[in-house]
Amino acid sequence: DSGVTQTPKHLITATGQRVTLRCSPRSGDLSVYWYQQSLDQGLQFLIQYYNGEERAKGNILERFSAQQFPDLHSELNLSSLELGDSALYFCASSVQGGTTEAFFGQGTRLTVV
Amino acid sequence: AQKITQTQPGMFVQEKEAVTLDCTYDTSDPSYGLFWYKQPSSGEMIFLIYQGSYDQQNATEGRYSLNFQKARKSANLVISASQLGDSAMYFCAMRERDSTSGTYKYIFGTGTRLKVLA
Repeated sequence: DSGVTQTPKHLITATGQRVTLRCSPRSGDLSVYWYQQSLDQGLQFLIQYYNGEERAKGNILERFSAQQFPDLHSELNLSSLELGDSALYFCASSVQGGTTEAFFGQGTRLTVV
Repeated sequence: AQKITQTQPGMFVQEKEAVTLDCTYDTSDPSYGLFWYKQPSSGEMIFLIYQGSYDQQNATEGRYSLNFQKARKSANLVISASQLGDSAMYFCAMRERDSTSGTYKYIFGTGTRLKVLA
């Protein structure tokens, strides 16, 4: 168990809808990262938050947004969903500084039909 | 330019043999870190091994070792005595400091799918 919790594990929704993915980082980790993994693809970095503030943006669509709350949990909002948004969405957390890996949640598998 | 390059989309290895998965990287951050993750068919990302840019010795974790050649910017994963359970996708990743935000970011390669044959 990595200590990172993602909910829900699976999500099936229709095109045009909006969903929210939730992530609780490991206790004490201030950084949260969101990644998208489409079928048989690598991990595409979407966005990073550190202690409530957005710190880095990757290939995140304008239809997607995220935030990190004072209790450090994070939410990724996906709107106007398209079939191509079907993917595994990972949240990871880490401490800043030091020699640590990013700890991953189990992922949320989103299927848009 | 790709920051992390894994040139082997797929690899086969016979059970009990050793296998090397290639990874090259590119960064201007002098204090970077290199990681390998395993993703079995169930989907979770499992951390395997870490190598810091200033580490003099190659990292080892059980049957996993990282062949770190700094001048060549390569960080190959060596799995010894392969087991059927090693069949999975393997990702090389790099942690570097983002020049704009000052925080660390993790960049992943495209992965290598390893199949261990009985």
